[in-house]
Amino acid sequence: KNEVEQSPQNLTAQEGEFITINCSYSVGISALHWLQQHPGGGIVSLFMLSSGKKKHGRLIATINIQEKHSSLHITASHPRDSAVYICAVPRGTSYGKLTFGQGTILTVHP
Amino acid sequence: NAGVTQTPKFRILKIGQSMTLQCTQDMNHNYMYWYRQDPGMGLKLIYYSVGAGITDKGEVPNGYNVSRSTTEDFPLRLELAAPSQTSVYFCASSAWTGASSYNSPLHFGNGTRLTVT
Repeated sequence: KNEVEQSPQNLTAQEGEFITINCSYSVGISALHWLQQHPGGGIVSLFMLSSGKKKHGRLIATINIQEKHSSLHITASHPRDSAVYICAVPRGTSYGKLTFGQGTILTVHP
Repeated sequence: NAGVTQTPKFRILKIGQSMTLQCTQDMNHNYMYWYRQDPGMGLKLIYYSVGAGITDKGEVPNGYNVSRSTTEDFPLRLELAAPSQTSVYFCASSAWTGASSYNSPLHFGNGTRLTVT
């Protein structure tokens, strides 16, 4: 079993739909990262969170430390949201040594 | 600011050749990392550094070497290229902010696509 598992692996939506991507992990963590990888390959950091919820524009990330689960929500999805979304958790106590999920490929159709 | 800059963007190597992937950042970040991304797989850590002069192995260090002589630069060296090293390589950096370092975002370069034939 992978330390970090994402679901679904592939997600197709129509523009305007509410999107949820899930991330479950099996190790104790101090924080969890959500990243976005653009079709061109570039990777950007969306969120880091250790508890509760964070919001940035149409993106919302939540985490439940006790259940070892995080979700990334996209409200009013748009074709420009099409990308691979990746969650990652620190390995052990060393910040930056991350274990990555395999990613969720999101395609939003107009 | 340029952020994290990787060169080259693409490279084709023959088996046994060597090369250095360059990575430089202009954000004065302490932490720097090299990851590889294979198709359908998650990113895997090759090497990382917590500051100039300090490097350590990640999950998949075999076949690679690194050095960190300055805060800005973190080159990755492939000595004897093998087909198994065909991958996309990402360099990343982050700031050390003490106890709350987990609140520091990762900044990624645009990647180097390497093919070994």
